[in-house]
Amino acid sequence: GAGVSQSPRYKVAKRGQDVALRCDPISGHVSLFWYQQALGQGPEFLTYFQNEAQLDKSGLPSDRFFAERPEGSVSTLKIQRTQQEDSAVYLCASSSQIYPNYGYTFGSGTRLTVV
Amino acid sequence: AQTVTQSQPEMSVQEAETVTLSCTYDTSESDYYLFWYKQPPSRQMILVIRQEAYKQQNATENRFSVNFQKAAKSFSLKISDSQLGDAAMYFCAYRDTNDYKLSFGAGTTVTVRA
Repeated sequence: GAGVSQSPRYKVAKRGQDVALRCDPISGHVSLFWYQQALGQGPEFLTYFQNEAQLDKSGLPSDRFFAERPEGSVSTLKIQRTQQEDSAVYLCASSSQIYPNYGYTFGSGTRLTVV
Repeated sequence: AQTVTQSQPEMSVQEAETVTLSCTYDTSESDYYLFWYKQPPSRQMILVIRQEAYKQQNATENRFSVNFQKAAKSFSLKISDSQLGDAAMYFCAYRDTNDYKLSFGAGTTVTVRA
């Protein structure tokens, strides 16, 4: 596609529910990133994929967070047993480079609200 | 991890005037990249301008320019001839040459007065 597409745009979950957030990167982009952006803050790194391999998950806040990219294209970020502190915008970004000298292309994010 | 600091939570500017956003960062590396991103209410982060640390010349993109002071670890963004469409949150970001992660500051909200 022309850009990075994320769905859903908004998600309201009851505390304890599981959620799945989808990211469609730009076709052919090898690098895919997930970031978490709390209200009024800058994005924080969650995890990084190079093709289908998850090379870095150091930013995932707990074992309730899980990400996958099984075929090296679409990625899903899953949060189990959601908590109020998980409320944030989840941004996905992709790049054609491993070390993106020109930054990434970001999607518009999914705003997750846990009630 | 590198620290990126944006000390101005909000800035207001009159249309057609100039505004400067500050950013400082902490690193022990000599080679890295710096970025300014714009995030409008649509939430999509849009790259405004980038600077390579080994280049002394300050980057310029149309009405946007930076003042890169490597020794002071400072990277400010100047928006000239401000337009209503410039209203957004602006984030400063850092990336090591040998890393893929971006480290972001907390952001500065820019309001443009008509």
